[in-house]
Amino acid sequence: QSVLTQPPSVSGAPGQRVTISCTGSSSNIGAGYDVHWYQQLPGTAPKLLIYGNSNRPSGVPDRFSGSKSGTSASLAITGLQAEDEADYYCQSYDSSLSGPWVFGGGTKLTVL
Amino acid sequence: EVQLVESGGGLVKPGGSLRLSCAASGFTFSSYSMNWVRQAPGKGLEWVSSISSSSSYIYYADSVKGRFTISRDNAKNSLYLQMNSLRAEDTAVYYCARDDDYGGNSPPPFDYWGQGTLVTVSS
Repeated sequence: QSVLTQPPSVSGAPGQRVTISCTGSSSNIGAGYDVHWYQQLPGTAPKLLIYGNSNRPSGVPDRFSGSKSGTSASLAITGLQAEDEADYYCQSYDSSLSGPWVFGGGTKLTVL
Repeated sequence: EVQLVESGGGLVKPGGSLRLSCAASGFTFSSYSMNWVRQAPGKGLEWVSSISSSSSYIYYADSVKGRFTISRDNAKNSLYLQMNSLRAEDTAVYYCARDDDYGGNSPPPFDYWGQGTLVTVSS
């Protein structure tokens, strides 16, 4: 069980908007630590999608956006495309753990 | 172009040892902290270990502390993970990943990842 909770799966039709939540606590997201998001396409390594809660690396389409509020963060994907079908992971820092980095359990996005 | 290439994975018996390597190129390796992240078959990502640019700071997940040792050789642009006393639950694809110097006030994200190397612990 990860200290960052994500829904196991979400789905949406092409063109729709979906959101993926990442719920933490007062020792991680709620303490003000940044949240980062990764996309993992089938059979490939993870790719940084959003960093510092809401920033996109160069080359990431603006269909992807991130936000953070309180003890939670969210990843929103608008204008869903078939190639967005992937696993998505949030990452943050947790001050209660001996190792600083923690990932959410991951969310499988299915494009219907 | 930044490249991270892992090697050293394979099949090992429970209790055995394995040393993973990650060859870095396309950036000034000695300026970046590096990480190992693993992914068990069909499961999510699990951070394993991190090492700062000069090896001054080293961190381990509780699940591997005392059994795994991270190290680096900046002259060879290489990152290593020595894995001892391996268990079935260590079976996973192991990725090396670079810290991103993003300027935030939190531990940085991992901006580049290797393709991973599979470690299978089984008798």
